[in-house]
Amino acid sequence: KQEVTQIPAALSVPEGENLVLNCSFTDSAIYNLQWFRQDPGKGLTSLLLIQSSQREQTSGRLNASLDKSSGRSTLYIAASQPGDSATYLCAVWVKGGKLIFGQGTELSVKP
Amino acid sequence: EAGVAQSPRYKIIEKRQSVAFWCNPISGHATLYWYQQILGQGPKLLIQFQNNGVVDDSQLPKDRFSAERLKGVDSTLKIQPAKLEDSAVYLCASSQKGLAGDNEQFFGPGTRLTVL
Repeated sequence: KQEVTQIPAALSVPEGENLVLNCSFTDSAIYNLQWFRQDPGKGLTSLLLIQSSQREQTSGRLNASLDKSSGRSTLYIAASQPGDSATYLCAVWVKGGKLIFGQGTELSVKP
Repeated sequence: EAGVAQSPRYKIIEKRQSVAFWCNPISGHATLYWYQQILGQGPKLLIQFQNNGVVDDSQLPKDRFSAERLKGVDSTLKIQPAKLEDSAVYLCASSQKGLAGDNEQFFGPGTRLTVL
């Protein structure tokens, strides 16, 4: 059974810092891995989707990496801003088009 | 392009009452998903439709939850009767295909349910 774990559960950093969010999964038989952002009271916004054959994806200040063999992914946020404050969710795609989510990391960026 | 629409946005009910949620997916998307997200946890898949057929409902508490997707477009999720532990955000998502695991899911804003 696929399980996804995110560490840390919460993180508070001063504005301008670079930071890394971690995601691990137990079964390497995944199609893709996706990072989402969730603002309070809102739905999920897709940030980055990494195909299983890829090692990383970049979008602006965000960079996500994937190491299938070790069951790990990281989301790197450069030069953090208060507007980055949100919950970040990692999810893996498994057979049948299902997404299995981690519990999320709640990020707070202080001005 | 319009996103996934859900209503209502918020609902407060007493335990043992019934409640229904509605979802309108992105036009042309064949696959529709309902997720339950309890506070502090990630979303958990309840049911997945491909057009108007059920693909996966293994985590749907069928004694109290039901869902349908008439004509392969809109979908409703019903809880009858509700329990305190059903308090959560119910998220609807859609994707163009979905089964091959290579199609991005787009999420609606969710319905926040509080059961008193």
